[in-house]
Amino acid sequence: EPEVTQTPSHQVTQMGQEVILRCVPISNHLYFYWYRQILGQKVEFLVSFYNNEISEKSEIFDDQFSVERPDGSNFTLKIRSTKLEDSAMYFCASSEGVSGNTIYFGEGSWLTVV
Amino acid sequence: KNQVEQSPQSLIILEGKNCTLQCNYTVSPFSNLRWYKQDTGRGPVSLTIMTFSENTKSNGRYTATLDADTKQSSLHITASQLSDSASYICVVSVYNFNKFYFGSGTKLNVKP
Repeated sequence: EPEVTQTPSHQVTQMGQEVILRCVPISNHLYFYWYRQILGQKVEFLVSFYNNEISEKSEIFDDQFSVERPDGSNFTLKIRSTKLEDSAMYFCASSEGVSGNTIYFGEGSWLTVV
Repeated sequence: KNQVEQSPQSLIILEGKNCTLQCNYTVSPFSNLRWYKQDTGRGPVSLTIMTFSENTKSNGRYTATLDADTKQSSLHITASQLSDSASYICVVSVYNFNKFYFGSGTKLNVKP
């Protein structure tokens, strides 16, 4: 079964450093998402992306975050200057469409900011 | 305010027993409601998707119900197995927007 793949699975970074999390969505999917889950807390929506632009973003997704689809397969989340509170599991997801379409999640990238 | 509330927070049942998890939401305008299973440290996996007009949807031993009038959904697990131990998350999306609201999940522990 096709799957969403994410790299790295775990990254440790120093506060203030830039981090790029990478995702390869399922190939025929058109909608891409990033979510975050702080340890022990619920999953939070960050951003959705369609047709090479952001379609929705949450209050969490401030100026330190950016997303990009640099080529036909990768979808990246950049955190410009990491803070301790950015430590979380970051999930990438994709879907064929919206509405009733299944959203498929990757296995996550665990980011630890020290 | 758009919110999704789940209950109970956690649940312990014996293998083979049934259980029902609840989800109440205030998300509006409503588009659809999804139930996900999330194993610890893994990404959520979709169980069901229900739109406004659907009352019940099954996926194997999982049966979801939706009452769009009262804004409530339930997930019923039949004949539980040890592998059902996970967090079950209710997710509601807003009509015409690509935005999703997650519940905090119910942590289910199935014991032998």
